[in-house]
Amino acid sequence: AQKVTQAQTEISVVEKEDVTLDCVYETRDTTYYLFWYKQPPSGELVFLIRRNSFDEQNEISGRYSWNFQKSTSSFNFTITASQVVDSAVYFCALSEARPLNSNSGYALNFGKGTSLLVTP
Amino acid sequence: GAVVSQHPSWVICKSGTSVKIECRSLDFQATTMFWYRQFPKQSLMLMATSNEGSKATYEQGVEKDKFLINHASLTLSTLTVTSAHPEDSSFYICSSRARDTQYFGPGTRLTVL
Repeated sequence: AQKVTQAQTEISVVEKEDVTLDCVYETRDTTYYLFWYKQPPSGELVFLIRRNSFDEQNEISGRYSWNFQKSTSSFNFTITASQVVDSAVYFCALSEARPLNSNSGYALNFGKGTSLLVTP
Repeated sequence: GAVVSQHPSWVICKSGTSVKIECRSLDFQATTMFWYRQFPKQSLMLMATSNEGSKATYEQGVEKDKFLINHASLTLSTLTVTSAHPEDSSFYICSSRARDTQYFGPGTRLTVL
């Protein structure tokens, strides 16, 4: 069974601060995908990144960066120089890469989310 | 990324009525779509996997006779909440899988009075 843990329920930072959102996962699959999604108050889920289990390279996209550590089963997300527009709920998610039984294996297992509030 | 639309964006209905929610993948064909439900301040929970041309696969605890799913084409899946009750009030979100990534619709907020 798969499990995603986002221990931080809520984080509040002041604009321009850096913030890291933690994500720890559990899976018995040898190949899997990890994701981060942003859910602003409007409710729509915005895709941020997908990482394959065999690719441990860290990634940077503008102010966003991700640290994938297979040894600790973590996939942490850092926002540098946070802005008010970054305020949202962020979800880490996990799915199988090659489901054996059915397409349901491609479904995402979400963490409980971390609510980030960036104040001016 | 891929674009997924969902209609309606919100609906208010009386208890006992049925509500249909449409999910469309606009710029790609999706043999598999997913339906999730999200209660306030909670995470998304998978309800069912919608397979084009075949029966949907429901998660444990989700009543297939209450939440009817039809995936008649490669771009459209529908979720019908039959005989809705106030406890069915929630945010329903669909997603389509494209290039190993799931893209989500904007969601439908259902309120049952």
